[in-house]
Order: sequence, then structure tokens, then C-alpha cells
Amino acid sequence: AQTVTQSQPEMSVQEAETVTLSCTYDTSESNYYLFWYKQPPSRQMILVIRQEAYKQQNATENRFSVNFQKAAKSFSLKISDSQLGDTAMYFCAFMAGISGNTPLVFGKGTRLSVIA
Amino acid sequence: EAGVTQSPTHLIKTRGQQATLRCSPISGHTSVYWYQQALGLGLQFLLWYDEGEERNRGNFPPRFSGRQFPNYSSELNVNALELEDSALYLCASSEATFEGYTFGSGTRLTVV
Repeated sequence: AQTVTQSQPEMSVQEAETVTLSCTYDTSESNYYLFWYKQPPSRQMILVIRQEAYKQQNATENRFSVNFQKAAKSFSLKISDSQLGDTAMYFCAFMAGISGNTPLVFGKGTRLSVIA
Repeated sequence: EAGVTQSPTHLIKTRGQQATLRCSPISGHTSVYWYQQALGLGLQFLLWYDEGEERNRGNFPPRFSGRQFPNYSSELNVNALELEDSALYLCASSEATFEGYTFGSGTRLTVV
């Protein structure tokens, strides 16, 4: 079974600074997808960024980028120019297989606080 | 386009009662997923429905059940409620699973 580990339960960052959230996963699959979701106090889970394992290029979405190290099974999220609205729980998630026949597996999350 | 909608927003039940939670997916999405988010435990996968069939089930007792209707909406039923069932229940839908899921805002279930 796949597992996702987020080793940082809580983190804080000053506004406008850069922060990196860590995620490691364990799988024997060769084809899979990785995701970062954000859950603000409103409870709505929002997809931040996704990465296909077969792509070597790291995904980027505006201020959000990932560092995908397939051999190390590591998938960290970097938030640049942090904003107060980035305060939220961040969840790393894994999906096995090209067809996606297994559900998303989530880590336990990292609570990020952006401080003015 | 309307997102994933869940009802009710909050639900308070007494131990031993039954709870019914409802979810309407995004139009065109045929898959519905249910997750339990208990404090400190992240999101735990409960059930996956697609085209009216149960496709996968997480490690939860049989008193957690559900169904998907012809219009792809879904309901989650929890029988014989226990205090530890208190959690946020999130529903999600997808069209192509490898694109990720779109989540609703959840139902907060409190068992007293």
C-alpha cells in the first residue's frame, strides 16, 4: 500500500518570504501522480499543483513550485513571496497508476501560518 | 459552473443514531469519493462510486455505507454512530481521476 509522509506538522513564514513544505511517499509503482492541496479555514480543499511521475520537469503554478525527486520519492512544495492568504493546511497526495483506479492517498498535512 | 455541493453543513447526532450525508458532484463528473477528516489524522478514504457502482472502499466498518444515484449524486450513511465518528466528511468528484479531485466544503458531523 502507498503511504505519504509529511514530517512537518506546523510551519510559519514571514510575509513575502519563501517556505518549503516536505513530502515523501512510498510506492512500488512506476506510474503515478502527485498533488498538493490547500485547505484554508473555510474547509474547502483546493488543488494547488500536480505532477506526473513520468515528467522530469518540475511543475510550477505562479508562486507555487515543486521539487520532485523520483529516486528519493520526495515531492516538496515551495511557496515564493508568501501571502497572508496562503495560511492554510497543506496536504500532499499520491495516486497510483495511469488509469487512476486507486483513490488519492493523503498525508496528515502541514499547518502553514504566514505572519505579517 | 456549480462546484461540488454537500449537505447539510453541520449535523449533530446522538450516539447510536444514523446519519445521512449528501453530495452533488460537478456536472459531467461521474465519480464521487468520500473521505473522513478526523482531527490530526488527515484525510482517510471511505468510499468511491462511479457510474452507480462502488469501485473501492477504505478500511472502515460496514456501518459506513453509501450509494450513487442515476444523476451521479451520492449519499453516505453512517449507522450506529459512535463518538469517534465525529469528523469532517468531505465529498469529491472527478471526470478524469489523474487530473485530481474537486472537493466540496464538507459536512461537520458531531456525535454526542
